[in-house]
Amino acid sequence: GAGVSQTPSNKVTEKGKYVELRCDPISGHTALYWYRQSLGQGPEFLIYFQGTGAADDSGLPNDRFFAVRPEGSVSTLKIQRTERGDSAVYLCASSRDNNYEQYFGPGTRLTVT
Amino acid sequence: GNSVTQMEGPVTLSEEAFLTINCTYTATGYPSLFWYVQYPGEGLQLLLKATKADDKGSNKGFEATYRKETTSFHLEKGSVQVSDSAVYFCALIHDSGAGSYQLTFGKGTKLSVIP
Repeated sequence: GAGVSQTPSNKVTEKGKYVELRCDPISGHTALYWYRQSLGQGPEFLIYFQGTGAADDSGLPNDRFFAVRPEGSVSTLKIQRTERGDSAVYLCASSRDNNYEQYFGPGTRLTVT
Repeated sequence: GNSVTQMEGPVTLSEEAFLTINCTYTATGYPSLFWYVQYPGEGLQLLLKATKADDKGSNKGFEATYRKETTSFHLEKGSVQVSDSAVYFCALIHDSGAGSYQLTFGKGTKLSVIP
């Protein structure tokens, strides 16, 4: 079956602009996670959704970052007033429930110039 | 807090050599432990896991044993192949208390296997 998909695969934006990154989880997976992977580092947790609600947003670095999952399926990570330090690969993962194996998407590489 | 420390790379081995990638962790309670692999141009994939002390996870010839006494989960393979060239991440999962089972990853170890 289809895996987790993320769009776009690459995004280049100018400092100060707004960006949206999309994640399509595996059908039927209720849990969805966003992670950020900076160069040479492991992925770091950003936010977790169970269904439509953000159950844990403790990893969001500041209030420029926001994510939604309005229908409990597709999720969008939104970054306002982007900074060069936001450049990273943003990974999405979904799982059947919150304590099952997480399946990762290919990521969106964000470059802020 | 929870953290994972794994050996720095890159690691370069000849085909059929023995592989060890060290991983130690710090965590409250009893986390589940994982090794993920990222092949060139691909997404993260679960390689193996262990959910309690003394469990051994294994897959594709790779093994790792959950050692509570040394808080370690070292990855081993007896005979590596060129196709094993990838970045390997050690990770743990814990309940944040908010109901999320977020993964905490090490920095990754890049393995290159040469013919």
